[in-house]
Amino acid sequence: SQQGEEDPQALSIQEGENATMNCSYKTSINNLQWYRQNSGRGLVHLILIRSNEREKHSGRLRVTLDTSKKSSSLLITASRAADTASYFCATDFLNTDKLIFGTGTRLQVFP
Amino acid sequence: NAGVTQTPKFQVLKTGQSMTLQCAQDMNHNSMYWYRQDPGMGLRLIYYSASEGTTDKGEVPNGYNVSRLNKREFSLRLESAAPSQTSVYFCASRNRAGGGTEAFFGQGTRLTVV
Repeated sequence: SQQGEEDPQALSIQEGENATMNCSYKTSINNLQWYRQNSGRGLVHLILIRSNEREKHSGRLRVTLDTSKKSSSLLITASRAADTASYFCATDFLNTDKLIFGTGTRLQVFP
Repeated sequence: NAGVTQTPKFQVLKTGQSMTLQCAQDMNHNSMYWYRQDPGMGLRLIYYSASEGTTDKGEVPNGYNVSRLNKREFSLRLESAAPSQTSVYFCASRNRAGGGTEAFFGQGTRLTVV
């Protein structure tokens, strides 16, 4: 099974609202990353949070990491129609070079 | 700067045929990856290579082989294609330094096996 499980699977909101996606994982990690994918194209990196960090911000993105619960969340504030995409978490394993992706959340932002 | 380049972009194979998907990166990255993505699903790791000359199995390696030809190139081979291998294949690369870094992705190869 995949390392990361995300919820919700799909999320529909209006422009201006906030979108929150959650990711859970199973084993110890170096870091956790979030990526975005538009319409089946290649993934684009959004933000990386290391295992010794609890929160990180980048523009309208806020990521939290709780290593005791093995979970992370991605918050997109003031969503725009252009944020419509699929969002994936990826876990960077300790002591290996594996990068394992979660199942993804499909976000639809309506104008 | 081209980044990660995958060829071909589209391919249709008959069951039992073989083919090689090519991937090349020009960012001097050590690590390279092959993933497959099925409709509505996340990416599943097929194989990865931490450095030139090394390869390791990922989550779904059965039915595939890989070659890390040099630092730039990482190819994925299907020896006898099956309909279950119909998918979009993504190659990625990164430098794994300082506890991990972001990966850069190619635009994908859409493979249909009939």
